Amino acid sequence: DVQMTQSPSSLSASVGDRITITCRTSQSSSTYLNWYQQKPGKAPKLLIYAASSLQSGVPSRFSGSGSGTDFALTISSLQPEDFATYYCQQSYTSPWTFGQGTKVEIK
Amino acid sequence: EVHLVESGGRLVQPGGSLRLSCAASGFTFSTFAMHWVRQAPGKGLEWISYISSTSNSIYYADSVKGRFTISRDNAKNSLYLQMSSLRSEDTAVYFCAREAVSLFDYWGQGTLVTVSS
Repeated sequence: DVQMTQSPSSLSASVGDRITITCRTSQSSSTYLNWYQQKPGKAPKLLIYAASSLQSGVPSRFSGSGSGTDFALTISSLQPEDFATYYCQQSYTSPWTFGQGTKVEIK
Repeated sequence: EVHLVESGGRLVQPGGSLRLSCAASGFTFSTFAMHWVRQAPGKGLEWISYISSTSNSIYYADSVKGRFTISRDNAKNSLYLQMSSLRSEDTAVYFCAREAVSLFDYWGQGTLVTVSS
């Protein structure tokens, strides 16, 4: 199975900050790496797919990068509605594994 | 508009069985692969099962293999998860999700399964 290492597990930031969350896979996932946002009590929402493609309707302050085993999600200017938990997911091979999540909290 | 609505979650005793359903609407269900993903209370997301559009290909996580069965009825636009030999560690919110070329683009709101005596 492809193991996912996401970091940090949590971070505190202020509105307007630029933040980066990283995700490492235990073997190459090419660019089959997706990012999801989840708010409490809600279903996950797709933000980024294929490592760097922005899902329709997602604000352009979200961006993704990377390939192979190292990936990153960047929010260029944190907004109040961005405080949530973020998960990476590899879709290169079954089982479709998720990172452990990064909780973004208000400083 | 795409909608996925899960149902069937409830309190069940250890060793018991339960069938979850996911009703799909707003898209051609028969042309999309589907997944079940769960989330234990306060924990992260865990993928548990996949079924192709024609049911020809099915996969399970090791944690549920041999106990859970995924199926679908394309005529009824519905996805199912038959769960048996339930354990306390199966307590979670269960989500169905649509796959669109290696990404999960739509998710249901989830249904809570609680395994406890």
